[in-house]
Amino acid sequence: GAGVSQTPSNKVTEKGKYVELRCDPISGHTALYWYRQSLGQGPEFLIYFQGTGAADDSGLPNDRFFAVRPEGSVSTLKIQRTERGDSAVYLCASSSSGSHTEAFFGQGTRLTVV
Amino acid sequence: GNSVTQMEGPVTLSEEAFLTINCTYTATGYPSLFWYVQYPGEGLQLLLKATKADDKGSNKGFEATYRKETTSFHLEKGSVQVSDSAVYFCALGGSNYQLIWGAGTKLIIKP
Repeated sequence: GAGVSQTPSNKVTEKGKYVELRCDPISGHTALYWYRQSLGQGPEFLIYFQGTGAADDSGLPNDRFFAVRPEGSVSTLKIQRTERGDSAVYLCASSSSGSHTEAFFGQGTRLTVV
Repeated sequence: GNSVTQMEGPVTLSEEAFLTINCTYTATGYPSLFWYVQYPGEGLQLLLKATKADDKGSNKGFEATYRKETTSFHLEKGSVQVSDSAVYFCALGGSNYQLIWGAGTKLIIKP
């Protein structure tokens, strides 16, 4: 596609529910990143995929968070037993080579846990 | 660990004013440095970058110089326009290709 697409753009869920956030990267981009941005703060790294595998998942805050990229393109960030503190904008970015300088960002999914 | 500190906003200026947004960093080694911009309703976009000391990144009239001696990467523009109103983020390249970000500075330009 023309850019990185994230769906849904907004998600409101009840505390304790399970949510999935989707990222469609730019076609052909092998590297994919997830970041989380809380209000008034810069993005915080969550996980980095190179192809189908998670090359670095050190930013995932706990075992309620999980991400997959089974075919090396679309990625899904999964959050179990959501908590109000999970409310944030979740950003996805992709790049052709895993270089910081070529990362293109989606517009994000705003998650609100009530 | 690595970190980025940038000036708090909002920064409010009149059109054609000179802009400086301060950014300082703490890092081991010599990371690449970046400025990203987020216009209202849009995703983050790379504005400019510098990969080594004394490099100057520039784009759309904006400039920033990688200063190792002061660990700074301040963003400047000689004459801002209303269309420059956005949130600006300073970031550095960490290990494993992740970016480490400042908190962002909201810039408001009044006509």
